[in-house]
Amino acid sequence: QKEVEQDPGPLSVPEGAIVSLNCTYSNSAFQYFMWYRQYSRKGPELLMYTYSSGNKEDGRFTAQVDKSSKYISLFIRDSQPSDSATYLCAMSVNSGGSNYKLTFGKGTLLTVNP
Amino acid sequence: NAGVTQTPKFQVLKTGQSMTLQCAQDMNHEYMSWYRQDPGMGLRLIHYSVGAGITDQGEVPNGYNVSRSTTEDFPLRLLSAAPSQTSVYFCASSYSRTGKGNTIYFGEGSWLTVV
Repeated sequence: QKEVEQDPGPLSVPEGAIVSLNCTYSNSAFQYFMWYRQYSRKGPELLMYTYSSGNKEDGRFTAQVDKSSKYISLFIRDSQPSDSATYLCAMSVNSGGSNYKLTFGKGTLLTVNP
Repeated sequence: NAGVTQTPKFQVLKTGQSMTLQCAQDMNHEYMSWYRQDPGMGLRLIHYSVGAGITDQGEVPNGYNVSRSTTEDFPLRLLSAAPSQTSVYFCASSYSRTGKGNTIYFGEGSWLTVV
């Protein structure tokens, strides 16, 4: 079993839809959880960052972490064509404050159709 | 502020050739790393560095060398290119302090094809 599992999709939704992206993980030492967005032929850019369990909201994006179930989610409300990208979940352990080594999911390709 | 700069963006190599992928950051970040991204495999850590003069192996280090002589630069060397090293390579950097969150900045990527 890989440490981080993510459904690669692809996922295609109409504009305005609510999108739910998910990852599961097996390493209980993960404490930092991130979502990256990657446009075609570009590097990943940090979208959301959360520490431990709970919800975090930023505009149309909500990141949710459930450590008891080892499950994280990213919700996108009122999705826009500009949200079309690959979304990668990433995690790291709390290693003396040095959380620079990320373990990534494979990424989910999202297309929002106008 | 250029962020993380990678060169070259595209490169074709013949099997057995060597080359260096360059990475530079201007944010005074202590931590730098190299990832490769392959279809169906996601991003995998090759090597990383926690500061000048300090490097360590990641998940897939075989066939690659790194060095960190300055804070700004972290080159990745392919010693004898193999077709299995055909991939997209991303350099990344970040602060060490958790007060900065876990913002890891990525470069634009280097597309490498080994024939």
